[in-house]
Parts: sequence; structure tokens; C-alpha cells
Amino acid sequence: AQKVTQAQTEISVVEKEDVTLDCVYETRDTTYYLFWYKQPPSGELVFLIRRNSFDEQNEISGRYSWNFQKSTSSFNFTITASQVVDSAVYFCAGTSYGKLTFGQGTILTVHP
Amino acid sequence: NAGVTQTPKFRILKIGQSMTLQCTQDMNHNYMYWYRQDPGMGLKLIYYSVGAGITDKGEVPNGYNVSRSTTEDFPLRLELAAPSQTSVYFCASSLQRDQQGDQPQHFGDGTRLSIL
Repeated sequence: AQKVTQAQTEISVVEKEDVTLDCVYETRDTTYYLFWYKQPPSGELVFLIRRNSFDEQNEISGRYSWNFQKSTSSFNFTITASQVVDSAVYFCAGTSYGKLTFGQGTILTVHP
Repeated sequence: NAGVTQTPKFRILKIGQSMTLQCTQDMNHNYMYWYRQDPGMGLKLIYYSVGAGITDKGEVPNGYNVSRSTTEDFPLRLELAAPSQTSVYFCASSLQRDQQGDQPQHFGDGTRLSIL
């Protein structure tokens, strides 16, 4: 069985601060895929990134960056220069053969 | 750009009533999923389908049924509603697994269901 642990339940920052959301994925599978989703206050789920277990290259997309380390099964998400619009619940998830297992989510609040 | 469409958006049921949550997607995705999200929690998989005529149980299937007669539609049925089924329900779809692996799932806006 797979397990996704998001270390922080809630994070509160002031605008322009950098913030890192931690995620650890536990599985016995050697091949797996990791995802981050954003759930803004409006409630929908927005796909942010997919990463496979073979690729440990960091990825950057604008103010977002992701760091995957297979040795520790961690897939951390950093928002640089946070903005109020980043306030949301962020979910880390992992799949084996298509079935997503979600973490419990991290509530990020960015104050102006 | 409809994507994944869920109806209704909100519903209140009485204990013991039945209802069907509708889900349709226009992206020609083979894979479809139903999740529930309880307050302060992540999503849990109820049922999934890898194609028309094929369904399988997820982590929390008890109290629910599904069918998949077409690629586009994947309704979720509650036969005897119970208070424990009060939740937000999300439908999702994805392309099938390919050489790049599991594909991202695209979610509907959710159905907020209360059972009183």
C-alpha cells in the first residue's frame, strides 16, 4: 500500500516570503509517479506537476519549483516570493498503475 | 472547454434516500475516477474505470455503485444514503497510462452532498 505524508497541516506566511511544502511518498514500487495539486478556496483541483521516480532533476516553473529525492522519497514544493493568490490547499499525491493516493493536504495562507 | 462536468453541485438528502451523481467528460479519456473528500482530509478513491464496461473498487467503495456504459459518462449511485456519506465528491478523468507513465487526472468542480 502507498502512503503520502505531508508534514505541514497549515502554513502561514506574509506576501513575498518563500515557502516550502514537504511531501514524503512511501511505496514498495520501484516505478511510481508523483503529483502536486492545488485546491483554491473555490474548491476545484488544479494539476500543477507530475514527476516520475526515475527523474531527480529539479523543476522550475515561474515562481514554483519542485525537488524530488528518491533516496528519501521526498517531493518538496517551493513557492518563491509568495502572493496572496497562492493561498490554497496543496495536495501531494502518488500513483501506482493509475490509482492516486493523496496526502491530507497543506493549507497555505499568504497574508498581504 | 468543458472538461469534466459534474451535476448537481449541491444536494441535500434524507437518510435512506438514493441518488445518482452525474459525471461526464469530453476529452475522450479512457480512465475515470470517483473520489470523496471529507473536511480537512485528502481525497479517497471510491471507484474507478479504465474503459467502458470496466469498473473496479477503490479504497472506500462501500455504499456506492458505479457503471460505465460509455467513454464519456461515469455516474456514481448512492442506494441508501447515510450521514457518513456527507462529503464533497469529485469525478476525474485521465488518459491511459503510456510510455511516460501515469497521466495527470483532470477533476470536475465537485458535488457537495449533505445527508441529514
